[in-house]
Amino acid sequence: QVHLVQSGAEVKKPGASVKVSCEASGYMFSNYGVSWVRQAPGQGLEWLGWISGYNGDTIYAQKFQGRVTMTTDTSTSTAYMELRSLISNDTGVYYCTRDRGSLDYWGQGTLVTVSS
Amino acid sequence: DVVMTQSPDSLAVSLGERATINCKSSQTVLYSSNNKSYLGWYQQKLGQPPRLLIYWASTRESGVPDRFTGGGSGTDFTLTISSLQAEDVAVYYCQQYYYTPHTFGQGTKLEIK
Repeated sequence: QVHLVQSGAEVKKPGASVKVSCEASGYMFSNYGVSWVRQAPGQGLEWLGWISGYNGDTIYAQKFQGRVTMTTDTSTSTAYMELRSLISNDTGVYYCTRDRGSLDYWGQGTLVTVSS
Repeated sequence: DVVMTQSPDSLAVSLGERATINCKSSQTVLYSSNNKSYLGWYQQKLGQPPRLLIYWASTRESGVPDRFTGGGSGTDFTLTISSLQAEDVAVYYCQQYYYTPHTFGQGTKLEIK
């Protein structure tokens, strides 16, 4: 069955960068995209962007343009999301999702805490 | 960005009763060429990732109980739970995936009365 397994929790200082990984299994990685969604503590869901599992094309939410980079390693069916210049408001749980338009499988989430 | 507005923000319903959540998009998410509305519904239980319930506004995801029904088209959508069960306590989100960014509604918290 389909699984998305994300890397562990991170604590970062303001201004630093974080890179979260998402290893996919149980399906053909190149047949789907991966979207990244985050959730601040006690808040709703926010879409950061999408990357093609086929050719690495990306679409980023304008809010994160210039600060986020999404990449894939097709040899290991792993997607990565790097967010730079972190501020306290970036604290939250970051999810990778299998994107077929709707988001049908979700990783377990990675808690990123930004604190001085 | 397309704004997704859910109502109500919270809802308390008795076990076995019907629960209805509304979602309105600021622009149509209906693609006329295939007559599909690019709208999904998700359920998030406490401490868990969201789970896809409904896609194309009204198609139930595999494994989702048939008490969950999605309806609507264009800009106005509903998620109905026909007979509320204790395990349905959660926050429910709609999301449009027609335009980027793929925006979510603010969420509706569903509780037992």
